[in-house]
Amino acid sequence: QKEVEQNSGPLSVPEGAIASLNCTYSDRGSQSFFWYRQYSGKSPELIMFIYSNGDKEDGRFTAQLNKASQYVSLLIRDSQPSDSATYLCAVNYNTNAGKSTFGDGTTLTVKP
Amino acid sequence: EAGVVQSPRYKIIEKKQPVAFWCNPISGHNTLYWYRQNLGQGPELLIRYENEEAVDDSQLPKDRFSAERLKGVDSTLKIQPAELGDSAVYLCASSLGGSLNEQFFGPGTRLTVL
Repeated sequence: QKEVEQNSGPLSVPEGAIASLNCTYSDRGSQSFFWYRQYSGKSPELIMFIYSNGDKEDGRFTAQLNKASQYVSLLIRDSQPSDSATYLCAVNYNTNAGKSTFGDGTTLTVKP
Repeated sequence: EAGVVQSPRYKIIEKKQPVAFWCNPISGHNTLYWYRQNLGQGPELLIRYENEEAVDDSQLPKDRFSAERLKGVDSTLKIQPAELGDSAVYLCASSLGGSLNEQFFGPGTRLTVL
């Protein structure tokens, strides 16, 4: 079992819909959680991070964290074709604060 | 402010040849990471530096890979000799450090080993 699991997709949603991306992790000592977006042929860029249970909103993006269930999710409201990319979940562990472990990403396609 | 700079952007070599990648992090970022990313997978950490010190190199294949970060700024990752399975994108990232460490990635070097 990988330390950070994501559904590889592809996830396809129509323009204007809500896209829901999920990530589970194995280490209960995990402290902080990151969502990166990676366009094809490009490098990852940070969208959001979250470290407290609950929701964190930034524009059209909402990160949700549930430490008891060991999952973190990313919701994208009013999805746009420009949101089509691979979304990587990264987890930092308590014992090694500077180290992030990445999932393999979920590919999202937003159809006009 | 300039982002993370990497060179070269692309490299094609034959197996058993050496290759080196260079990274210049964002000014003031003490933490520097080298990742390898295979197609369809997430970045895999090879080595992490805190200033000049390599604090996590557990995933670095030390028989053929080496890295250095002189003066705690620029870094070089070397492979010698390269194998077919080394074909991947090599990403450098930097951050201010700590648990809430937003990592800023460079454009990467796409390595093809023939």
